[in-house]
Amino acid sequence: GAGVSQTPSNKVTEKGKYVELRCDPISGHTALYWYRQSLGQGPEFLIYFQGTGAADDSGLPNDRFFAVRPEGSVSTLKIQRTERGDSAVYLCASSTGSPGNTIYFGEGSWLTVV
Amino acid sequence: AQKITQTQPGMFVQEKEAVTLDCTYDTSDQSYGLFWYKQPSSGEMIFLIYQGSYDEQNATEGRYSLNFQKARKSANLVISASQLGDSAMYFCAMREPLSTGNQFYFGTGTSLTVIP
Repeated sequence: GAGVSQTPSNKVTEKGKYVELRCDPISGHTALYWYRQSLGQGPEFLIYFQGTGAADDSGLPNDRFFAVRPEGSVSTLKIQRTERGDSAVYLCASSTGSPGNTIYFGEGSWLTVV
Repeated sequence: AQKITQTQPGMFVQEKEAVTLDCTYDTSDQSYGLFWYKQPSSGEMIFLIYQGSYDEQNATEGRYSLNFQKARKSANLVISASQLGDSAMYFCAMREPLSTGNQFYFGTGTSLTVIP
C-alpha cells in the first residue's frame, strides 16, 4: 500500500512482558515519528528518526522504551517489562518534506496491558 | 504552558451547516506550521490542511479552510456544508520551528458530531 503501515493493529499482553510494534513508512520518506495517544488525549511525541539515527528521543518516557530503524526504512518500537500504564495507541508517522513537512500517520497499534 | 489549546471538547452541527473548531497556539518562533488532522473512530489520523506562519492567505482545501489570525495566535478550522462523515475527533497541531522542528505538538482535540 501507499500509506504508513503498522503491525500489529491490536496487541494484548500481560504486565511484565516484552512487546515490539512495527512501522513501515511511506516509501521514500526519510523522517519517521512515533507518537503515543492515550484515551481522550492528543498524540504525544515519543521519538523522531532522520534516516537510521534517532534525531530526537526526548519523548520516550523511560528506559523501558526503545526504538530502532536499522536500515532507514522500517522502524520497531520496543517496550520492556510492560506496565498497565503503557496501554495506549501507538501511532507511527512519516514525513514527505512538504508542505511544511506534513506528517502522515498509520492506523496505529492498540496496545492493552492486562 | 500548552503549545496548542483546543477549548471545545465537543461540538454539534446540523448537516449542511458550517462549523468552526477553535485552536490557539503558543510559540516564540517566527517560523512555524499549523496543521489540522481528523481522527475517525477507526483511529487513523488523517491530514486535512496546513498553514505556514508566513503564508499571507488563509489555507483552503475543499470544504476545509483555516482562519489564521497571527496576532491572536489562533488557527481555527472551518468546515463548510457539514456531512455525516465529518463526525470525528479533530486535532490542531503545530511544528516549530518549521524547517528544523522535530516535534509536532497536538491539542487535546474536539469531538464533532454532525446531526442529520
